[in-house]
Amino acid sequence: DVKVTQSSRYLVKRTGEKVFLECVQDMDHENMFWYRQDPGLGLRLIYFSYDVKMKEKGDIPEGYSVSREKKERFSLILESASTNQTSMYLCASAPGALNEKLFFGSGTQLSVL
Amino acid sequence: ILNVEQSPQSLHVQEGDSTNFTCSFPSSNFYALHWYRWETAKSPEALFVMTLNGDEKKKGRISATLNTKEGYSYLYIKGSQPEDSATYLCAFNAGNNRKLIWGLGTSLAVNP
Repeated sequence: DVKVTQSSRYLVKRTGEKVFLECVQDMDHENMFWYRQDPGLGLRLIYFSYDVKMKEKGDIPEGYSVSREKKERFSLILESASTNQTSMYLCASAPGALNEKLFFGSGTQLSVL
Repeated sequence: ILNVEQSPQSLHVQEGDSTNFTCSFPSSNFYALHWYRWETAKSPEALFVMTLNGDEKKKGRISATLNTKEGYSYLYIKGSQPEDSATYLCAFNAGNNRKLIWGLGTSLAVNP
């Protein structure tokens, strides 16, 4: 089975800190995604990547950046964390075709104080 | 603006009951409709990806149907069990990019 691993289950950071959320998948998937989940808002796409060093903005990219130096790893970076970035962050990966299912990591609950 | 709506928002049933919920999506530019189950403290897990009008898919006691012309999909659970308790999410893909548009989910609680 595909495994998508997120580096931390829970994370507490201070306002203004630079935060790195790491995601690794082990099935050679082309596509990787970062979402955030907030109550009443559903899953919102922050960034996605369809190839190494390629990235595209999702619906809410402001305040975030990403890095994909290797195919298996997709990092989400909060350059200067703010309290409104407190959220559950989910990473997902999928093969190349648009109608393939997504495989999700277990999520990182980030609290910014 | 593309929108995906799920109903009901939440549902409480007794063990053994059969239940169903709805996902409504834009009927134009359809490419694929995804269903996921998200149990508390776990990762969302794919149930079905449906692409053809009239498609019916089944996985154990869970099945789904798709009507792309009118823009809806039904998810059915036959003989609900407590382990079916989860949030069920649907997501729509218009096919012109890799983005999925997600509904807010239906939260199902099955009482033993």
